[in-house]
Amino acid sequence: AQTVTQSQPEMSVQEAETVTLSCTYDTSENNYYLFWYKQPPSRQMILVIRQEAYKQQNATENRFSVNFQKAAKSFSLKISDSQLGDTAMYFCAFMKAPAYSGAGSYQLTFGKGTKLSVIP
Amino acid sequence: EPEVTQTPSHQVTQMGQEVILRCVPISNHLYFYWYRQILGQKVEFLVSFYNNEISEKSEIFDDQFSVERPDGSNFTLKIRSTKLEDSAMYFCASSLSLRGKAKNIQYFGAGTRLSVL
Repeated sequence: AQTVTQSQPEMSVQEAETVTLSCTYDTSENNYYLFWYKQPPSRQMILVIRQEAYKQQNATENRFSVNFQKAAKSFSLKISDSQLGDTAMYFCAFMKAPAYSGAGSYQLTFGKGTKLSVIP
Repeated sequence: EPEVTQTPSHQVTQMGQEVILRCVPISNHLYFYWYRQILGQKVEFLVSFYNNEISEKSEIFDDQFSVERPDGSNFTLKIRSTKLEDSAMYFCASSLSLRGKAKNIQYFGAGTRLSVL
């Protein structure tokens, strides 16, 4: 079974500054995907960024980037130039890659989340 | 932009009653999921559904739970006889196709808060 740990229940950052949210995971799988989801106060979870484990290059989406360390099983999220709209719960999630298309499902295993507050 | 829609946003029920939570996934998606989040705890996987049948379910998804896709658009979660511990936020999600990178990106609804009294 997989586990995902987010060790920072709450964090805050000044607007325009950079913040890093940490995530570690435990798995015996070699092929998997990692995600960061954002859940603003309106409650809908939105995908922020996705990383495929077989790719060494860290994923980047505009102000969001990850530091993926496969050997250390670490997957941190860096938010640059923080904006007030970044205030949300951030969830790290793991997905095992199915053996073949259509096999099993693509269930997500989530961490407990980090509540990020961006301060004006 | 297409989105997953869940109704109602809040459901209050008495212990022992049946509830049906409704979801309208994104129209061309093929995989459907239910997750739940008990207050203060992790989001937990309940069940996945593909090709009109359950493809995977967790230990939480016992005989009290069932899922159905009664028509081409709705995806429902039924709890037959609710218990106090079923109180949680229930999220529906859907994902796209068998092939391509997008297949494993799940799009979530805003959730239904279930309160069992």
